[in-house]
Formats: sequence, structure tokens, C-alpha cells
Amino acid sequence: QKEVEQDPGPLSVPEGAIVSLNCTYSNSAFQYFMWYRQYSRKGPELLMYTYSSGNKEDGRFTAQVDKSSKYISLFIRDSQPSDSATYLCAMKNSGTYKYIFGTGTRLKVLA
Amino acid sequence: DAMVIQNPRYQVTQFGKPVTLSCSQTLNHNVMYWYQQKSSQAPKLLFHYYDKDFNNEADTPDNFQSRRPNTSFCFLDIRSPGLGDAAMYLCATSRDRRGTAQETQYFGPGTRLLVL
Repeated sequence: QKEVEQDPGPLSVPEGAIVSLNCTYSNSAFQYFMWYRQYSRKGPELLMYTYSSGNKEDGRFTAQVDKSSKYISLFIRDSQPSDSATYLCAMKNSGTYKYIFGTGTRLKVLA
Repeated sequence: DAMVIQNPRYQVTQFGKPVTLSCSQTLNHNVMYWYQQKSSQAPKLLFHYYDKDFNNEADTPDNFQSRRPNTSFCFLDIRSPGLGDAAMYLCATSRDRRGTAQETQYFGPGTRLLVL
């Protein structure tokens, strides 16, 4: 079993839809949770990061962490064609510098 | 703007011909990472530096080496590239802020390596 599981997609949604992207993990020691957006042939761009549990909102993006269920989510409201990309989750615990990544979910927002 | 810079963006090399990829950062972060990413896969950590302290992943081939001459620069050397080494190589940085909520990682744009 992988430490971090992420549905690879592709996920296709119409413009304006609310998108939900998710990752599950097995290591209960993870405390730092990140979401990256990666356009084709580009480096990952940090979108959101959350420490421990709870929600964090930034514009159209909301990140949620449920440590009891070992489950994190990224919600995108009013999705735009420019949101079409691969979304990677990443996480780590406080005792290491090593980040564990999901395989990424490919999102397509259709105009 | 503070950032992570990688050069070149595209590199073509021949099978077995050594190649060096470079990364520089203006963030003054003390941790630097090299990842390999193949199509539709997660980034795979090759190694990281905490300041000058080098940390190799157990499954990183000996063919891959790294140098960090100072805080700002880090190099990835591939001594004898094989066809299977064709990939995107990503440099990333983070600041050691253990025990705070501020730990996170920033990536450069990547170098796409093609091996002929």
C-alpha cells in the first residue's frame, strides 16, 4: 500500500463547476499538507498548505484536512478552463525533510 | 521576485555522455532537493541537502550525483545517462522551520532531459 493515494483521473468538469480533489494517506504522523498545481511540462506550483487539521481558504480554493480519517481535500469553486492541470498532494511529518507525493489528479475544465 | 531557477530548461544529451543540471535560489532556504519526474508520475526524490549535509535516497542510482557549493546553488550530475533517465528534473527548496506551521516546499520550473 502506498503511503499516499490519489485518484489519477482524468476528471472532466464543465466551467463553473465545484471540483473536489482528494488524497488519502496511511501515516498518522503527517502534519504538513500541501496542494500543488502542475501544468503540462512545467514545475509544480504551490497552491495551498495546511498544518495539522482544519480548513484553509484562499480565493476560489479551499483545503481541508481530516486527520481522524487520514483524508485531505482541495475544493475549487467556479472552476475555469485555466484550472486544467494536474493537482498533486504532498505531505510530511515534522521529523523529516522528505515530502511524500500523490501521483496527481489530472483535471480538465471544459469551456 | 524570490524564486527557484533551473538551467537549462531543456537538455539533450547522448547515451553515456555526462550532463550537469543546475539550480539556484534567491529564497535563502537551507534545504534543497532534486526530484526526477516521469510522465504521469509523482516526483521521485533523488536526494536533498540540509545546508551542506547531503542525504541520498536509498534507491537513487549511483549514476546520479549532486553538489552544493553554497546556499544558493545546487547541481545534479548524471555521469552516464541511459535512455531510462529521460525525465523532468525538478529542483525544490524549503526552509527549516521545524515545529512551526511554515514548512513548505517551492519548486523550480524543471529541466526536461532527453537522452538520444
